[in-house]
Order: sequence, then C-alpha cells, then structure tokens
Amino acid sequence: DAKTTQPNSMESNEEEPVHLPCNHSTISGTDYIHWYRQLPSQGPEYVIHGLTSNVNNRMASLAIAEDRKSSTLILHRATLRDAAVYYCILLTHGSSNTGKLIFGQGTTLQVKP
Amino acid sequence: NAGVTQTPKFRVLKTGQSMTLLCAQDMNHEYMYWYRQDPGMGLRLIHYSVGEGTTAKGEVPDGYNVSRLKKQNFLLGLESAAPSQTSVYFCASSYSQGTTEAFFGQGTRLTVV
Repeated sequence: DAKTTQPNSMESNEEEPVHLPCNHSTISGTDYIHWYRQLPSQGPEYVIHGLTSNVNNRMASLAIAEDRKSSTLILHRATLRDAAVYYCILLTHGSSNTGKLIFGQGTTLQVKP
Repeated sequence: NAGVTQTPKFRVLKTGQSMTLLCAQDMNHEYMYWYRQDPGMGLRLIHYSVGEGTTAKGEVPDGYNVSRLKKQNFLLGLESAAPSQTSVYFCASSYSQGTTEAFFGQGTRLTVV
C-alpha cells in the first residue's frame, strides 16, 4: 500500500486559513486521496476525498498536485472546533479494493484563539 | 438514523476473561471494520468484512476473532484478554469500494487489568 507523510503538528490562529500538507510520492493511478479528522475523545470523521481534480465541500477544500504526489487540505477559516488530528489516507479503487483505511500518525492541529 | 453504534462504551476486564464487542450499523453498508487506537497513536486495523458471512485479517489480528452473521452487525471477540489489549476500539462501516466515506462509531474504551 502506498504511504503518506504528514507533519506531526501544526498551529493556526482562529479565523485564519489552514493548509495541511500530505506527501504521497508512491501514489498509484487508482488511489483516491482521503482525509479524515479525529476530534478529542471521538471516532474519526470523514472530511473530503479526491482523485485528480481539486474538490470542495462544506467542510474543506482539497488541492491535489498535478503529478498527484502531494495534496493539501485547506480549512478556509479555522475555528476552535477544528482542533483535531487530521489523517491523509490513500485508498485504492478497483475490484480488489476492500475499502480499508490504513491510518498513519496524522497531523495534530492546534487552533489558538 | 443512528449510524454506527458500538456496545458497550466502557468495560474493565480481568486478564484471561473473554468478551464480545458489538458494532451495529443501520445504513445497509457492505463493508465493516474494527480498529484499535492506543494512546497517542493512529488507528490500526484489526479485522474487516466485505459482506455478510465474510471476514478478513487486518494489520493486528492476533488475539481477536470476528463474525459477520448479519449484514448490519460486526462482532469483535476477545477470547482471553491480556493487558496489551487495553485500548480504545472503533468500528466503522462504508458502502462501497473506497470511493465513499466511512462512518465511525464513538468507540469502546477497554481496560484489561
């Protein structure tokens, strides 16, 4: 399985944008890029996913590099509630895919008021 | 719509005791997963299922067994609990082969003394 590399921690100020990077240099053509986050004492929750094009939803935006070897999760306006561990995960699509998410260490985001 | 429900939420076991954790989902999802999370770590996949009657090993399957007799339920069993199995256990489910989001339960905090 292709691996991802994320910084261990990042800090942001409240109401400012946050850019969370993820490197995945061994990504294959059928790998989707998924982002999940885990708030304190809760189970992970889905944030966003994409394949090649940039994606937007109500929670965040996902910017994918043209060569797909890196991506960035963008929180447009951080709130205190966004303080969490953010996981970047590759998921292979195809008939043999079982949909299992393999979590790394993630990035712990601190949001300062 | 309850989503993914885990039972129980907390449990203390003595070494050598057995127990079963229940995961139930009401979204008609094919895929279900059991993870464990140790303090300060990311989630690790224990076992998973791609449909009723099927199970498969994940990253850390030793000491655990699972069953998926009904589509909506995924059971995780510990036959002889050990202190190393003290952890928070998360169940998740998803609809398809990795192109849609996975939904997680709130976790079961298990302590083995």
